[in-house]
Amino acid sequence: GAVVSQHPSWVICKSGTSVKIECRSLDFQATTMFWYRQFPKQSLMLMATSNEGSKATYEQGVEKDKFLINHASLTLSTLTVTSAHPEDSSFYICSAREPSRDRVGYTFGSGTRLTVV
Amino acid sequence: GENVEQHPSTLSVQEGDSAVIKCTYSDSASNYFPWYKQELGKRPQLIIDIRSNVGEKKDQRIAVTLNKTAKHFSLHITETQPEDSAVYFCAASTGGGNKLTFGTGTQLKVEL
Repeated sequence: GAVVSQHPSWVICKSGTSVKIECRSLDFQATTMFWYRQFPKQSLMLMATSNEGSKATYEQGVEKDKFLINHASLTLSTLTVTSAHPEDSSFYICSAREPSRDRVGYTFGSGTRLTVV
Repeated sequence: GENVEQHPSTLSVQEGDSAVIKCTYSDSASNYFPWYKQELGKRPQLIIDIRSNVGEKKDQRIAVTLNKTAKHFSLHITETQPEDSAVYFCAASTGGGNKLTFGTGTQLKVEL
């Protein structure tokens, strides 16, 4: 099946620094990538939808200047958490729609555990 | 936008019993309803999904039912096993590659 590779799987950074998370579609072209954030014992909350070659669409309440999304190619989308603070510590997961015409589905990256100290 | 509610938040069953998790959605345009199992620190794994042109779907011990009129759908797990213990999420989408909106999750615990 379709595979999305996400890395790093975990990262610890100092408060005030920036962190970049990458998601790559390995065997298909992902024209749209979704970025989710999941706090402990909570659900996946959509942060933004990125479309290749255009600006991302952010969900209400998500700061676009803080969470920079780039989707410059059909196989790579990146999320940069700028000036990270401890409250940004969370599990970040990307997702892309499966490419099959015959089925509707979404494939997920393995997630990135971000800890800001 | 879409709002998906999920109940119960926690569910404990004895091994071999059945478990039922229920979700309601608000957007009548939603037409794709997947269920995911997530283990701690891992990505969500699709366990079953249903489209709005179908009322029920079954895959071995897992089944999903959909009531479009009432805008609710349910996950049924029969003959539960300890390895079924995890967090389960329902989700809804209007399809066409549109975003998934997740329910709040159910922590299922299967006790020996």
